[in-house]
Amino acid sequence: AQKITQTQPGMFVQEKEAVTLDCTYDTSDQSYGLFWYKQPSSGEMIFLIYQGSYDEQNATEGRYSLNFQKARKSANLVISASQLGDSAMYFCAMREGRADSSYKLIFGSGTRLLVRP
Amino acid sequence: GAVVSQHPSRVICKSGTSVKIECRSLDFQATTMFWYRQFPKQSLMLMATSNEGSKATYEQGVEKDKFLINHASLTLSTLTVTSAHPEDSSFYICSASGGSEPEAFFGQGTRLTVV
Repeated sequence: AQKITQTQPGMFVQEKEAVTLDCTYDTSDQSYGLFWYKQPSSGEMIFLIYQGSYDEQNATEGRYSLNFQKARKSANLVISASQLGDSAMYFCAMREGRADSSYKLIFGSGTRLLVRP
Repeated sequence: GAVVSQHPSRVICKSGTSVKIECRSLDFQATTMFWYRQFPKQSLMLMATSNEGSKATYEQGVEKDKFLINHASLTLSTLTVTSAHPEDSSFYICSASGGSEPEAFFGQGTRLTVV
């Protein structure tokens, strides 16, 4: 069965510093996608970054980068130069299903990040 | 990215009544939409997969007669919570796929309170 594990229920980081949020996954599929979403207190889910299982390079989107270690089945999110607005809940998710079928996401339990001024 | 609009954002209803939540893809055709439920301080749990023109696929443990899903067009899916009870109070959020991007796009969510 496919599973996403986030072992850090809460994290603190000082403003302007970098922080790594951990995510490990388990799947028997060869083709899959890994996602990170940010959920502020308003509840909306904001897409941050995507990594495909066949992508050889780590994904980067502005201050977000994904440290993809396929052999270890980990997909950690790195946020550089943290800002106060980064304080939120962060979810790691995996897309299951074949490329020609509809996708649904399996979410980890989330990590609450608090950026200190 | 693509835009998914969910309405209403908040609703309070009396126990025993039904509530309809709409999820619209505004700038792409969503062949598939997903409905999630999120309890406070918990993760998103998939309730059902909504396919345009066919019956929804419900996850194990989700009552299909309680949570009615209709996906009548490529841009609209609705979730109706029937005969709502206080334990149905939760945050419901939809997502849609079908565009060219790999990610699913989420609506703003609906906070349902049943009194």
